[in-house]
Amino acid sequence: QVQLVESGGGVVRPGGSLRLSCAASGFTFSSSGLHWVRQAPGKGLEWVALIRFDGINKFYADSVKGRFAISRDISKNTLYLQMDSLRTEDTALYYCAKSSGWLIGHWGQGILVTVSS
Amino acid sequence: EIVLTQSPGTLSLSPGERATLSCRASQSVGNNYLAWFQQKPGQAPRLLIYDASSRATGIPDRFSGSGSGTDFTLTISRLEPEDFAVYYCHQYVTSPLTFGGGTKVEIK
Repeated sequence: QVQLVESGGGVVRPGGSLRLSCAASGFTFSSSGLHWVRQAPGKGLEWVALIRFDGINKFYADSVKGRFAISRDISKNTLYLQMDSLRTEDTALYYCAKSSGWLIGHWGQGILVTVSS
Repeated sequence: EIVLTQSPGTLSLSPGERATLSCRASQSVGNNYLAWFQQKPGQAPRLLIYDASSRATGIPDRFSGSGSGTDFTLTISRLEPEDFAVYYCHQYVTSPLTFGGGTKVEIK
């Protein structure tokens, strides 16, 4: 079955960088789109980014555009989120999720990112 | 950006009762690309409904979705104890993808 396991979270100072990873299994990674979605503590869901099945077309929320970059490594079945110029408001649980078309289907369990001085 | 507004913010009901959750979009959601997710404390969201009215795999038939254009509804016909959770609507027709603010269904 579909499995998505996030890693790479932690505590980082404002202005710092972090790279999240999401190890995928149970489906054809090279032909699937993948999302990052985040949830600030006690808050609702916020979509962050999407990489389409072709690996070329990428889309971002305005709140992260120019600071975050989504990518994937087909040889490792791994999705990434490079996060630069981090702000306190980026503190959240970050989920990776498998896409069917643009629909978010399966979710990982999430990884916590805390931006604090 | 399509803004999704969910109402009510909190719904207090008893097991066995019917729950009706609303999601209103700021502009028409093309192709009815509207989904509903359920989230329980400490867990990832789970897809319930997609394309406004299609149940995802393994979702009980007490969950149903309806609506089109800008007005959508999630109905839980008879609440089971495991249905008390937060529910989010989500549009996936255009970027940026967006979520509603959520409706918490709590035990009365």
